[in-house]
Amino acid sequence: SQQGEEDPQALSIQEGENATMNCSYKTSINNLQWYRQNSGRGLVHLILIRSNEREKHSGRLRVTLDTSKKSSSLLITASRAADTASYFCATGIIQGAQKLVFGQGTRLTINP
Amino acid sequence: DAGITQSPRHKVTETGTPVTLRCHQTENHRYMYWYRQDPGHGLRLIHYSYGVKDTDKGEVSDGYSVSRSKTEDFLLTLESATSSQTSVYFCAISESQTGDQPQHFGDGTRLSIL
Repeated sequence: SQQGEEDPQALSIQEGENATMNCSYKTSINNLQWYRQNSGRGLVHLILIRSNEREKHSGRLRVTLDTSKKSSSLLITASRAADTASYFCATGIIQGAQKLVFGQGTRLTINP
Repeated sequence: DAGITQSPRHKVTETGTPVTLRCHQTENHRYMYWYRQDPGHGLRLIHYSYGVKDTDKGEVSDGYSVSRSKTEDFLLTLESATSSQTSVYFCAISESQTGDQPQHFGDGTRLSIL
């Protein structure tokens, strides 16, 4: 079953603009993670936010988490052509091992 | 990049044949995972391992088995491949159970079953 639903499914913006992607989920979580996937490659971890955190920054990335609304957002500021990729949210639930449940992803295209 | 190698990177085979995919890590991480990625489904967990000889099922485990005889290797086997198992398969590793951990992914195996 799909835990994370991402919105939009595709986003196309001009270089230098900000990109915002949203993720909603259904059950209680321990953390929420964002990953990037370039075409033909594996996923690369971007940022992890714990369930007791509300906002986290890493370079040009800003992630928010609202556990009351079961939603998260990823903001990429001052986008670059190299940011073109698919972005996935994944909810982390620790039951023995930590298991991740991924959303379907947002395809981001940065136009020069 | 985390030291994760998946082999083969591409494979084409016929329905009914057995297929084994290998994930090899050089990070000495305890946890290893197999996912499949299909259009419209994101990544779905097939099986995972929490130590040598310790494995458990994920969301979509039917038709798949796994084995882990050494810390560094995690094998995924399709005993009798079906066309519905055509997919891109990703291996991931993570360091420990305690706390919240990112997972590190290999570059995937593209498997086509004709």
